[in-house]
Amino acid sequence: DSGVTQTPKHLITATGQRVTLRCSPRSGDLSVYWYQQSLDQGLQFLIQYYNGEERAKGNILERFSAQQFPDLHSELNLSSLELGDSALYFCASSVSGASGDTGELFFGEGSRLTVL
Amino acid sequence: AQSVSQHNHHVILSEAASLELGCNYSYGGTVNLFWYVQYPGQHLQLLLKYFSGDPLVKGIKGFEAEFIKSKFSFNLRKPSVQWSDTAEYFCAVKGSGYSTLTFGKGTMLLVSP
Repeated sequence: DSGVTQTPKHLITATGQRVTLRCSPRSGDLSVYWYQQSLDQGLQFLIQYYNGEERAKGNILERFSAQQFPDLHSELNLSSLELGDSALYFCASSVSGASGDTGELFFGEGSRLTVL
Repeated sequence: AQSVSQHNHHVILSEAASLELGCNYSYGGTVNLFWYVQYPGQHLQLLLKYFSGDPLVKGIKGFEAEFIKSKFSFNLRKPSVQWSDTAEYFCAVKGSGYSTLTFGKGTMLLVSP
C-alpha cells in the first residue's frame, strides 16, 4: 500500500460526459501528480500541483483540468469525453521542497476510465 | 527536454534465465534515475533508484541497475528471473530543479514457469 488513495477505481461513462477523479496523497506529501496510461501512449504526465498551486504542466488537454485543495487532496476533471480518453489515470505524490523534488513518486492504484 | 528510450517492448524468458532491460535517456545535466515496476492489475512501485554515488544500485527482489554516464544508460538486470517477476517495467528520469519525471514506454516481461 503506497498510501495514495484514488477514487473511483473504475468508471464507465458516455462520450460527451464529464467525470471527476479524486486523489488523496500520502500523509505529509505536498506534491500531487496526474498521469494518464494508455496502450498506445504509455505513461503520459498530465499535471503537477505543489501545496495547492500548479507547478508543472505536461500533455494535458484543454478539456481536462485539475486542482489541489487546502487539505492537499486533488481532483482531475475530464469533460466532453471522447472514446480516446479511455485510459488508466494515476495519481502520485511526493515530498517536494522549494527547489523541486527527487522524482521518487508514490503511486495510487489508478482510476480506470472507460468511455463508450 | 528530457526523454527516455527503452529498447524492448516485450521480453519473454524462462524461469532462471538472466534478464537485462535496456534504458537510455537524453538530458544535458544531472539526473535522477529510476526503475518502476507494475505487476498485473496493480499500481506502479519503485524498484530502485539512482541519485548519486555508486553507479551500481541494488533494488528490491534481487534487481540491480548500472548507471553508465558516458552512455546515458541505466540498464536493469537480474541474474535469475522468477515467474513472479512477470510485470511491466518502466525506466524514468528526472532532471534537476522543477523538471518532471519522464517515463519510458515500458517493457512487458513475461516469465514462463
